[in-house]
Amino acid sequence: QLQLQESGSGLVKPSQTLSLTCAVSGGSISSGGYSWSWIRQPPGKGLEWIGYIYHSGSTYYNPSLKSRVTISVDRSKNQFSLKLSSVTAADTAVYYCARGDRTVTTYWFDPWGQGTLVTVSS
Amino acid sequence: SYELTQPLSVSVALGQTARITCGGNNIGSKNVHWYQQKPGQAPVLVIYRDSNRPSGIPERFSGSNSGNTATLTISRAQAGDEADYYCQVWDSQGVFGGGTKLTVL
Repeated sequence: QLQLQESGSGLVKPSQTLSLTCAVSGGSISSGGYSWSWIRQPPGKGLEWIGYIYHSGSTYYNPSLKSRVTISVDRSKNQFSLKLSSVTAADTAVYYCARGDRTVTTYWFDPWGQGTLVTVSS
Repeated sequence: SYELTQPLSVSVALGQTARITCGGNNIGSKNVHWYQQKPGQAPVLVIYRDSNRPSGIPERFSGSNSGNTATLTISRAQAGDEADYYCQVWDSQGVFGGGTKLTVL
């Protein structure tokens, strides 16, 4: 059974860079043509898709975050990572990683990691 | 950018049928996916591509999509179905609805 687990700093100072990693177990990040996404949820609010990466390294980001986001993949460690620069309090959220499945016209996310809370505060 | 509209809350009596809607401009031309999120937990996919159930999801969960509204239907609602439910589409990016809190009375 595929499992995803987020890890990284839970507290980041304003203007600094948020860094998270998602470890994938129970399957290879390089198999099946899946994408690998980051999604976040501010406390008490809804979900926001951040971006995805394929094992090839091909990426696609939410246009509203594109200038600050970098997603990378490490196939040797079966994991992928998120960096979000110049963070503010508005970036405080639970960050989830998830596998993306697709057809020609759509993507959906399954399964998800348990999520990790990142707080932006000085 | 594309927007999805969900009611903030829906209530259903125990054992009855709950319907949660997701509105969007011509949403029937897109594929809609639904997620269940219980307090303190990660979202779980319950319906994908309008009406398909992942393995392990009870048959009580079903979906439909036509015109400007997609609907998640939960039959014979149980206390364990209480959760937030989110719809999602792909419109050159992942787009989520604001979420609906389902209360089972």
